[in-house]
Amino acid sequence: GAGVSQSPRYKVAKRGQDVALRCDPISGHVSLFWYQQALGQGPEFLTYFQNEAQLDKSGLPSDRFFAERPEGSVSTLKIQRTQQEDSAVYLCASSLVGSGTYNEQFFGPGTRLTVL
Amino acid sequence: KQEVTQIPAALSVPEGENLVLNCSFTDSAIYNLQWFRQDPGKGLTSLLLIQSSQREQTSGRLNASLDKSSGRSTLYIAASQPGDSATYLCAVKWDSGYALNFGKGTSLLVTP
Repeated sequence: GAGVSQSPRYKVAKRGQDVALRCDPISGHVSLFWYQQALGQGPEFLTYFQNEAQLDKSGLPSDRFFAERPEGSVSTLKIQRTQQEDSAVYLCASSLVGSGTYNEQFFGPGTRLTVL
Repeated sequence: KQEVTQIPAALSVPEGENLVLNCSFTDSAIYNLQWFRQDPGKGLTSLLLIQSSQREQTSGRLNASLDKSSGRSTLYIAASQPGDSATYLCAVKWDSGYALNFGKGTSLLVTP
């Protein structure tokens, strides 16, 4: 497909479990972003990759959150020892470059995480 | 603090009306501003992107304007249709940083 894809679409975890969320960006897109969207709120930035380099992780809420993009394409967001407050929709976005004219961000459908 | 605010939080209009959604931001040093649409349970669909040097962008029935000096953007929807019902999000990329900063959105309902 031509768009950003994410898997799984839905994830239910028991408190304390580890989860891994996957993002496949648009082919050729250099930049990749992760956002967290709580119910009724706008998305909030978590972390940013340019190719395989994680240039900004200032939005990660705790050291339980970890993201990687080892080959500069697919990215994984991992949450360790999940807590109920981690319940949210996790959105991935990609853009052709990080700055300049072609920097429109395109979003995937998101992964809805529910922690029981 | 850099913030993005959207008013109103919710809006209900009859089909056929023209409407305006508002977005304000606290820092005029923006790189660009993007309007998105989000349907329930879905991701974000980009509607319009306005670079800081531009004043407006148009796509079909949608027109977005940008006034950096006053810290405001508006999304104008002409001849609204029930299919326009969704949440509309405004997002700002500041000159500093990489991420988009979102407002909380305006939930729009267009009734037949």
